[in-house]
Amino acid sequence: KAGVTQTPRYLIKTRGQQVTLSCSPISGHRSVSWYQQTPGQGLQFLFEYFSETQRNKGNFPGRFSGRQFSNSRSEMNVSTLELGDSALYLCASSLRRGIQETQYFGPGTRLLVL
Amino acid sequence: GDSVTQMEGPVTLSEEAFLTINCTYTATGYPSLFWYVQYPGEGLQLLLKATKADDKGSNKGFEATYRKETTSFHLEKGSVQVSDSAVYFCALTHNAGGTSYGKLTFGQGTILTVHP
Repeated sequence: KAGVTQTPRYLIKTRGQQVTLSCSPISGHRSVSWYQQTPGQGLQFLFEYFSETQRNKGNFPGRFSGRQFSNSRSEMNVSTLELGDSALYLCASSLRRGIQETQYFGPGTRLLVL
Repeated sequence: GDSVTQMEGPVTLSEEAFLTINCTYTATGYPSLFWYVQYPGEGLQLLLKATKADDKGSNKGFEATYRKETTSFHLEKGSVQVSDSAVYFCALTHNAGGTSYGKLTFGQGTILTVHP
């Protein structure tokens, strides 16, 4: 079974631009979570989607948004990019069945904002 | 809120040495606990997990026991290899709803370097 895939793997943007990142979960997984990883702040939770609905959101400004499609694929968007948005963005998927909520991560998208 | 604290790194060991990376947590109720590993330039890989008190997770020679009385989930390996060099993250999640949906809370990560 294929793992979580993320595209693109690398991105370079300039301040003020916007960016869209894509995540395809493991087949059959219905929950997708997004995280930001930076050297200073570590791994921080952005949001989680299940059945096209955002069910949880971390403490990030409204410039960070996301959505999930009917096939469980998810996208996240960052508008009006700032230098501090440079990070590795990771998505993770899980089955959301029973109490076993193990999340499986993709390779990440590395975003550099200049 | 929930929090996870890992021992300060980096940790440098010789091949075949014994490894311990300490992890303690603060959380209400009964979280599930995880260890993830991140190799350079890659995402996170699940190493092992435990979902209730006294459970022992194990994988690839690594072990960790869920100790509710000490709120700990220390990672151990009896004999490390050069290929174990990576960053290790301890994490927790709740199985309840609300603000816990899909959210892993991570420790700051511990860099492990193993020399031949």
